Amino acid sequence: EAQVTQNPRYLITVTGKKLTVTCSQNMNHEYMSWYRQDPGLGLRQIYYSMNVEVTDKGDVPEGYKVSRKEKRNFPLILESPSPNQTSLYFCASSNSGRIYNEQFFGPGTRLTVL
Amino acid sequence: QKEVEQNSGPLSVPEGAIASLNCTYSDRGSQSFFWYRQYSGKSPELIMSIYSNGDKEDGRFTAQLNKASQYVSLLIRDSQPSDSATYLCAPLRGNNRLAFGKGNQVVVIP
Repeated sequence: EAQVTQNPRYLITVTGKKLTVTCSQNMNHEYMSWYRQDPGLGLRQIYYSMNVEVTDKGDVPEGYKVSRKEKRNFPLILESPSPNQTSLYFCASSNSGRIYNEQFFGPGTRLTVL
Repeated sequence: QKEVEQNSGPLSVPEGAIASLNCTYSDRGSQSFFWYRQYSGKSPELIMSIYSNGDKEDGRFTAQLNKASQYVSLLIRDSQPSDSATYLCAPLRGNNRLAFGKGNQVVVIP
């Protein structure tokens, strides 16, 4: 089954404790992206990757890091989480270079930083 | 001007009626436009895409695009309770980046 998976689905942590949210897709997509969703603010892009070893900042990259060492994986790293990073996070993937370009979303990770 | 603007406030429609959702965007370079549906606590799922001016129909959904007016809309005909969700308008920017609106909540009343 074609899918994007994220782990963990739920996470409660404390300020300053480094964490990684994993994202994996099995569709051989070049493009992957991380979003956060907050009430009243909608979906905002954090980082995206056009292909292996190619990453770039989205609209709200502060406090986050990413890496793309393999095509299928795109982990999101919070080196020193803070309460304002409490949010619902989505990973998405798609093919690149096409006009019609459906992005497939993972199930989401609900993160709470105390 | 916000990059993507959608009508404010929830839209309540009786079952069987037409729900009409509007979206305006600021980037004249956008060529592709997407409507996603998101149920509460779930991930967005694509329901319509459109990249030519005019109408595109898919089942009970019709997307309308007017690039000159920078306007895209979504009509849901014969609304069902299962259509109760938030609908996100998303123009495609450069580098495959989607710009999402804040969404329109639709409530279908049985």
